[in-house]
Amino acid sequence: DAGITQSPRYKITETGRQVTLMCHQTWSHSYMFWYRQDLGHGLRLIYYSAAADITDKGEVPDGYVVSRSKTENFPLTLESATRSQTSVYFCASSPLGASGTGELFFGEGSRLTVL
Amino acid sequence: GENVEQHPSTLSVQEGDSAVIKCTYSDSASNYFPWYKQELGKRPQLIIDIRSNVGEKKDQRIAVTLNKTAKHFSLHITETQPEDSAVYFCAASGKSGGGADGLTFGKGTHLIIQP
Repeated sequence: DAGITQSPRYKITETGRQVTLMCHQTWSHSYMFWYRQDLGHGLRLIYYSAAADITDKGEVPDGYVVSRSKTENFPLTLESATRSQTSVYFCASSPLGASGTGELFFGEGSRLTVL
Repeated sequence: GENVEQHPSTLSVQEGDSAVIKCTYSDSASNYFPWYKQELGKRPQLIIDIRSNVGEKKDQRIAVTLNKTAKHFSLHITETQPEDSAVYFCAASGKSGGGADGLTFGKGTHLIIQP
């Protein structure tokens, strides 16, 4: 049971480049989330998805794009990376959304450095 | 949107002593309050949660209390052990910035267990 996996685990890129972080879950959970983790800020929600083809903004969506054509995949794209997007990105899935009070299952994280 | 404040940011206790981490939230509609533990370099994992219709919940050495009137909830760890050293995040299910249906996290508490 692979659970939820992220790739790449580590990525170094340059300002202005496009970067895509992949997230795949094998549980068929309806909800998927992208959080970024920065020292002093904790975990902040970027985007989430309640089901395939349904996505919505979180607290810090600017500069990011998501899609969800299949239930199991939820890629996050930085269209033109900036230094402020250097962070650790966590994908998570849940059978229920926050309003449904479901546990979040996190991936291992993707550490992105933008030079 | 929901705002979650967490204190202290760092907590150092002697092994065997108790540790208490406190959080406040702003959205009275929040009804689910989980706590996540994140060991160094690992993903956050749920350790305990409480729903708004319950005042206290225990699981072995950990317990969580909720005061809906005051909008605060706390994590209590008794008989602390070295493996309790980690960063702990509280969260609330109120709508985050933009009305997102995702958990809003506190900024985290770094718990250090001194031998």
